[in-house]
Amino acid sequence: DVVMTQSPLSLPVTLGQPASISCRSSQDLVHSDGNTYLSWFQQRPGQSPRRLIYTVSNRDSGVPDRFSGSGSGSDFTLKISRVEAEDVGVYYCMQGGAEPPTFGPGTKVDIK
Amino acid sequence: EVQLVESGGGLVQPGGSLRLSCIASGFSFSQSWMSWVRQSPDKGLECVANLNPDGIAKYYVDSVKGRFTISRDNAKNSVFLQMNSLRSEDTAVYYCVRDPLYHEFDIWGLGAMVTVSS
Repeated sequence: DVVMTQSPLSLPVTLGQPASISCRSSQDLVHSDGNTYLSWFQQRPGQSPRRLIYTVSNRDSGVPDRFSGSGSGSDFTLKISRVEAEDVGVYYCMQGGAEPPTFGPGTKVDIK
Repeated sequence: EVQLVESGGGLVQPGGSLRLSCIASGFSFSQSWMSWVRQSPDKGLECVANLNPDGIAKYYVDSVKGRFTISRDNAKNSVFLQMNSLRSEDTAVYYCVRDPLYHEFDIWGLGAMVTVSS
């Protein structure tokens, strides 16, 4: 199985400041169709996960543009340009191009 | 409104059974792959089963093979997870999730808590 790792696992941030989460996979995630099926999910306290980003850098409808995804191969990043209070929660990366789909352990974002 | 609503969770003894149900609305269910993803403090998020639109192609994570069965009723916009021979390590919140191309998990339900304990 593809192992997904994230760093840091805990990220205290100051409101209005940027934040960055790294996600690495144990193998290259480029699929034979040329796409890279790497997604990012946000899970606010007490809520279900919500997809923010798919295929590395595509933002879901309704997701603020302060969220952006980037990367390639086995190295990916989720960035929040200016953290707001509603961004508190746990963020997960996930690969879906290789069976079985696997999630990272999560990065907990909270406010300093 | 696009939504998935799970039901059927609860407390069950080791070796017991539960059947989770999920009703979909607001999208073309009969054309969608569907998955069950569980979340526990020990294992995090884990896709335990998924099913193609016609109910034939199925995937199960190794730890549930032979014990869990995923099925669907397209006429009722519903997907099910029959869980038998439950173990303490199956304790988790179980989410019903739409599973578009290559597991991009774009719609999640609210979750159903399953607790396996004596």
